[in-house]
Amino acid sequence: DIQMTQSPSTLSASVGDRVTITCRASQSISSWLAWYQQKPGKAPKLLIYKASGLESGVPSRFSGSGSGTEFTLTISSLQPDDFATYYCQQYNSYSVTFGQGTKVEIK
Amino acid sequence: EVQLVESGGGLVQPGGSLRLSCAASGFTFSSYSMNWVRQAPGKGLEWVSYISSSSSTIYYADSVKGRFTISRDNAKNSLFLQMNSLRAEDTAVYYCARDRTITPQYYFDYWGQGTLVTVSS
Repeated sequence: DIQMTQSPSTLSASVGDRVTITCRASQSISSWLAWYQQKPGKAPKLLIYKASGLESGVPSRFSGSGSGTEFTLTISSLQPDDFATYYCQQYNSYSVTFGQGTKVEIK
Repeated sequence: EVQLVESGGGLVQPGGSLRLSCAASGFTFSSYSMNWVRQAPGKGLEWVSYISSSSSTIYYADSVKGRFTISRDNAKNSLFLQMNSLRAEDTAVYYCARDRTITPQYYFDYWGQGTLVTVSS
């Protein structure tokens, strides 16, 4: 299976900060990467697909980039609603795998 | 509005069985592949199983292969997960999740609210 490693595991930031989360794949996955946001007690929400495609209804302050094995999720100006845990997911094959998550906390 | 509603979770003893259901509405269920994804308490997400729109293609994670069976009833807009020989490590919230596109892509745009399965004596 392809292993996905996110960094950092926890991130402390303030409203208005620019935030970047990194996701690395154990082998090349081209651009077959999605990002999700999850809040406590809730289901994950799709933010980004195919590394940089913004899902409909997702604010434009979210953006994704990368290809191959290195990917980033950027929040250009952190808002109160953005404090949550973020997961990357590779879908290079049917055997999809997720990163371990990055918790974005209030500083 | 797309809705996915899971049910069937609960407390079961190790070695026991449980059948989860997911009722779908608000979209043409028979056109989309579906998945089960689980999340152990305080842990990350783990994909469990995939079923194509016509049930012709089915995949399982190695961790559940031979113990879990995914199925669907397109006439009743329902997805199922039969879980046998349950282990403590199967304890998790189980989500049903829809493939984002009609052509299988293996990422998920709609998720249910989840149903908790607890395996304990």
